[in-house]
Amino acid sequence: EAQVTQNPRYLITVTGKKLTVTCSQNMNHEYMSWYRQDPGLGLRQIYYSMNVEVTDKGDVPEGYKVSRKEKRNFPLILESPSPNQTSLYFCASMGRMNDYEQYFGPGTRLTVT
Amino acid sequence: KQEVTQIPAALSVPEGENLVLNCSFTDSAIYNLQWFRQDPGKGLTSLLLIQSSQREQTSGRLNASLDKSSGRSTLYIAASQPGDSATYLCAVRRFRDDKIIFGKGTRLHILP
Repeated sequence: EAQVTQNPRYLITVTGKKLTVTCSQNMNHEYMSWYRQDPGLGLRQIYYSMNVEVTDKGDVPEGYKVSRKEKRNFPLILESPSPNQTSLYFCASMGRMNDYEQYFGPGTRLTVT
Repeated sequence: KQEVTQIPAALSVPEGENLVLNCSFTDSAIYNLQWFRQDPGKGLTSLLLIQSSQREQTSGRLNASLDKSSGRSTLYIAASQPGDSATYLCAVRRFRDDKIIFGKGTRLHILP
């Protein structure tokens, strides 16, 4: 089954404790993205990657890191989480074979206390 | 700066009515526009994707149109049903830097 998976689905952590949210897709997509969704602000792109070893900042990259060492994986790293990073996070992918239609993961709800 | 606006922010209509959701964008240099549905607390489900060279796409009771020159897209839902209640989001992929910009969505409630 074609899908985008994220782990963990729920995470509660404390300020300053480094964490990684994993994202994986099995559709051989070139383009992968991370978004955060906040009430009143909608979905905003954090980082995106057009292909392996290529990453670019979205509209809200501060406080986040990403890497794209393999085509299928695109982890999101919070080196020192802060309460303002409490949000719902989505990973998405798209590729030429699907005419660049975006497919989304189920989301990760992060709470930073 | 690319902005994507969806009006209205919320909409309630009786079951069975046809309805139109609007999406406007400021920069017409886009690759495509995609409509999504999001149920409360859930992820996004793709509804329709329109490439910049296309004028419309249809899937079942849904029809999406794109007028790139005026920076507008509409999502038409025919014969609405209570199960259509959800938030509908549009997103554009910007040509100059491949960023994807979302509107804030229209929250749709279909009254039984």
